[in-house]
Amino acid sequence: SAVISQKPSRDICQRGTSLTIQCQVDSQVTMMFWYRQQPGQSLTLIATANQGSEATYESGFVIDKFPISRPNLTFSTLTVSNMSPEDSSIYLCSVASGQGYGNTIYFGEGSWLTVV
Amino acid sequence: LAKTTQPISMDSYEGQEVNITCSHNNIATNDYITWYQQFPSQGPRFIIQGYKTKVTNEVASLFIPADRKSSTLSLPRVSLSDTAVYYCLVGPGTYKYIFGTGTRLKVLA
Repeated sequence: SAVISQKPSRDICQRGTSLTIQCQVDSQVTMMFWYRQQPGQSLTLIATANQGSEATYESGFVIDKFPISRPNLTFSTLTVSNMSPEDSSIYLCSVASGQGYGNTIYFGEGSWLTVV
Repeated sequence: LAKTTQPISMDSYEGQEVNITCSHNNIATNDYITWYQQFPSQGPRFIIQGYKTKVTNEVASLFIPADRKSSTLSLPRVSLSDTAVYYCLVGPGTYKYIFGTGTRLKVLA
């Protein structure tokens, strides 16, 4: 399975600021995803990070609020812009690996953001 | 996209076998079924994956009937450390992995 590292692991952010989360994978992967998990809730897919092109966003998420970069097959960043307390969540990077029965997705440990 | 439905919560006692069932009526031919375990403030951890029939590894078994419209995760002899949220995920489908609500398992002493 892929080993995924996320930075920062947690942060406390001021309202109105922006924070960039980094995701580094130990092997080249085709598909990378960003999820948000609000307290006590399930995971919600934000977007698919596409290498060399614009990310594909899910309904309710827009590029201006969550800009994503994917410069190569092992790295991606998610920026949470102009943060408000409603953005307090765990943000998770995940990758699809082709090992096993089929594509399996693996997760980093997440970045816990608290907006005050 | 295959939608999944699981019980919201379950309680069990230490040493018991726990079975968590997931319904996925519109599973596609190229979809696999994967189960994850998540502890608070951590990312989901892969447990087991299957396509049909039965799969077993060192921590769990996965039972999938012939029609593949449901699946059951079986955890043998649970302990307090198995208290977590368990997610059933069906994919890759159109390569968008959508999570359902998950099942909160509480293991009691």
